Formats: sequence, structure tokens, C-alpha cells
Amino acid sequence: EVQLLESGGGLVQPGGSLRLSCVASGFIFSENTMAWVRQAPGKGLEWVSGISGSASNTDYADSAKGRFTISRDNSENTVYLQMNSLRAEDTAVYYCAKSSGFSYFDYWGQGTLVTVSS
Amino acid sequence: EILMTQSPATLSVSPGETATLSCRASQSVRNNLAWYRQKPGQAPRLLIYGASARATGIPARFSGSGSGTEFTLTISSLQSEDSAVYYCQQYNNWPPVTFGPGTKVEIK
Repeated sequence: EVQLLESGGGLVQPGGSLRLSCVASGFIFSENTMAWVRQAPGKGLEWVSGISGSASNTDYADSAKGRFTISRDNSENTVYLQMNSLRAEDTAVYYCAKSSGFSYFDYWGQGTLVTVSS
Repeated sequence: EILMTQSPATLSVSPGETATLSCRASQSVRNNLAWYRQKPGQAPRLLIYGASARATGIPARFSGSGSGTEFTLTISSLQSEDSAVYYCQQYNNWPPVTFGPGTKVEIK
């Protein structure tokens, strides 16, 4: 059974940093693209970033470029999202998702809430 | 960036009836289109990929069709558990993948 478990969310002041983690199980982690997708309160889904299985390819939404960094540790079956210079508009539930190649998202975690507020 | 639109914004349907949801892309995405269902307080769940292929465990009453810029998700024999927001997503151009704004399905 595929499981994705996010952690690391919380309340942070504008300009602050957070690192989200997602531990995966139930599939061959190193062979799969992983992504972060967020959802602001009461809003729709927004893709944030993706990383290939070998970590050789990383991509970012324009809203994340220069501030967020995605990485992974295949020995720990974990994908990370380092978020710096956080803004109020980054407030959202952040979902970790497994992608079938750089395509659709076939499994999702339950999400971790990030709140950026003073 | 490919923009996705969905219609209607809200759909109210009686149990047992059929719901038809539309998704449109601003340019062709071929058949690189997925549909998700998100129930309140839950993560999204993949329903359809490749415009018409059902994901694992998804019943046959969910069907997808279309290609290019026009897509449809059809839910037949609606049940109370189908009350949710449904999103389409294109993955023809990565990055970025883009989602539609969602259609909320309400069961009367």
C-alpha cells in the first residue's frame, strides 16, 4: 500500500523559513517523480514543484522559483521542500504527491498546513 | 502556461442521476488530462488519467472522454459519496502542470 506522510508545517512569520518532509512507502521511491502541490484555504490546487527519481531534474512554479528548493533522499524515501522568504500568500495545505513520470499524481499524502502570519 | 477552465462551477444532481462535468484547455493538451475528486477535508484522489483511463479502484460509473482542448467527466448513478469538488489537470506541458478551478458537485 502506497503511503505518503507529510510533516513540518506550522505557523511562521513573513520572511521566515520552513522545511517540509514527506516520507514515502509502498513503492520503489527512487524510480518515481515526486511533487508538492498546495491548496490555499478555500481555493483550488496549485502545483509547486517536482523532482525526478534520480533528482537530476527539478522544476518549480513561478511562485516558488528562487524561494523554494525541492530535494530528496532516496536512502530515506523522503522528499523535502525548503521554503524561504515566506509570504502570506504561501499560506496553504501542502500535499506531497507521487507522479507517474512528470504527469498526473496517482497518490497523495494527507497534507501539512503552513500558515504565514505575524 | 496552459490555462484550464471548468464548467459549471457548481452542479446539483439527484441521487441515481448522471453528472456531466466539462474541462477546457487554452491550447491542445492531446490526451494528457487527469481528473481528481476531493471530498471535504481530504486529499485529492486520482479518478481518470490519459483523458479516459480509470485509476486503480475507480468504479466504471466514472468515465472520461475528450482530447485536444475539450474534455468531459461523466459520473453515472450518482451516490451521496460523490459529493465533492472535481478538478481537471493537464500534464502535456510540464512545467508547469496546471489545474482547473474545480466543479463542486452537490447531491440533492
